[in-house]
Amino acid sequence: AQKVTQAQTEISVVEKEDVTLDCVYETRDTTYYLFWYKQPPSGELVFLIRRNSFDEQNEISGRYSWNFQKSTSSFNFTITASQVVDSAVYFCALSEARSDYKLSFGAGTTVTVRA
Amino acid sequence: NAGVTQTPKFQVLKTGQSMTLQCAQDMNHNSMYWYRQDPGMGLRLIYYSASEGTTDKGEVPNGYNVSRLNKREFSLRLESAAPSQTSVYFCASKSRRDRVNYGYTFGSGTRLTVV
Repeated sequence: AQKVTQAQTEISVVEKEDVTLDCVYETRDTTYYLFWYKQPPSGELVFLIRRNSFDEQNEISGRYSWNFQKSTSSFNFTITASQVVDSAVYFCALSEARSDYKLSFGAGTTVTVRA
Repeated sequence: NAGVTQTPKFQVLKTGQSMTLQCAQDMNHNSMYWYRQDPGMGLRLIYYSASEGTTDKGEVPNGYNVSRLNKREFSLRLESAAPSQTSVYFCASKSRRDRVNYGYTFGSGTRLTVV
């Protein structure tokens, strides 16, 4: 069963628009971590953010912000004032205590930012 | 630079050939992982090693073998390559002691094509 669902396959925006990426996860564990990774066209995986299951406080870090809601099992990620360099594939991932914190990835959302 | 080093970066194999993907980390991490990335499917876990001397199957282990040679090195072997194993392979490591971050460090990937 898919533990992490990213329903959006592709998103295309014009530069300076905001982009929100949806992520829904499934777990029975009480202790878990959620991640967002970025994969630019060069192919490497870049860690962006991480939250643990005990901290639902939403934060902003530069142009990135996230909305973690345990009630809906969602961990959405927003890029504010998008730039061309934000064009990449974005992955949401889950690691659970009961599975020794192995990472389970969503299918990814391809974001294209047009100038 | 500290991190996870994967070799080779690119490889083309003929069906039925064998090869070993190498992975080494210099961060003294306990756990190491092999993932494969296919379009539209995110990253899927092939095998992992929670500590030196142990290995376990992940989500898609068929057609692969692994060796945790020592704490630094974790290799992935394809005994008889098949076109279905055409993919991008990522190695990752994580420290079990890093309970605050539970952060993964990923290698830069190996792009494998089986013809």
